[in-house]
Amino acid sequence: EAGVAQSPRYKIIEKRQSVAFWCNPISGHATLYWYQQILGQGPKLLIQFQNNGVVDDSQLPKDRFSAERLKGVDSTLKIQPAKLEDSAVYLCASSPSGNDEQYFGPGTRLTVT
Amino acid sequence: RKEVEQDPGPFNVPEGATVAFNCTYSNSASQSFFWYRQDCRKEPKLLMSVYSSGNEDGRFTAQLNRASQYISLLIRDSKLSDSATYLCAPTTRFGAGTRLTVKP
Repeated sequence: EAGVAQSPRYKIIEKRQSVAFWCNPISGHATLYWYQQILGQGPKLLIQFQNNGVVDDSQLPKDRFSAERLKGVDSTLKIQPAKLEDSAVYLCASSPSGNDEQYFGPGTRLTVT
Repeated sequence: RKEVEQDPGPFNVPEGATVAFNCTYSNSASQSFFWYRQDCRKEPKLLMSVYSSGNEDGRFTAQLNRASQYISLLIRDSKLSDSATYLCAPTTRFGAGTRLTVKP
């Protein structure tokens, strides 16, 4: 069974630029999550989708971050404009439903200079 | 107060030792509980789910106390390969992790 796919794996941008990340969850998983993990910290939930509806985006900085999950499968996370403090690993995860264990993708390491 | 608090660590133990990690959470509405392990520069991977009755998987035992909002993980007979960061996760909220290094 294929795991969660993410791209790109690495991205370096300058502050005030925009960036987008892509995630393809495990086939059949209804729930998709985006996390931000800053070095030395645990993953912080940015947004949780159930199919193509948003379940929890309470920690998403909505002035600069946006996410969508069209057709309830793939998802993209965008940052516009980026700040230095956005440097982190962005992890996508999926699960069969909202209370199940999560399967993580390899992450995208973002460096904002 | 943080939503999820874990022992700060790091824990440095010899092979064969028993080590316990503690975690407390603030959201009493949390429905599901997990321990994940994360190797350096890798993604988190599920170690085990945690049930109210307690559960065991080989050398690993997890306990949940809903009344105290407390989760624990016990690792017996530590192996070198157990060296990693252990993340406590009530549903979608993760602790900062506790780093374990097992030495020969």
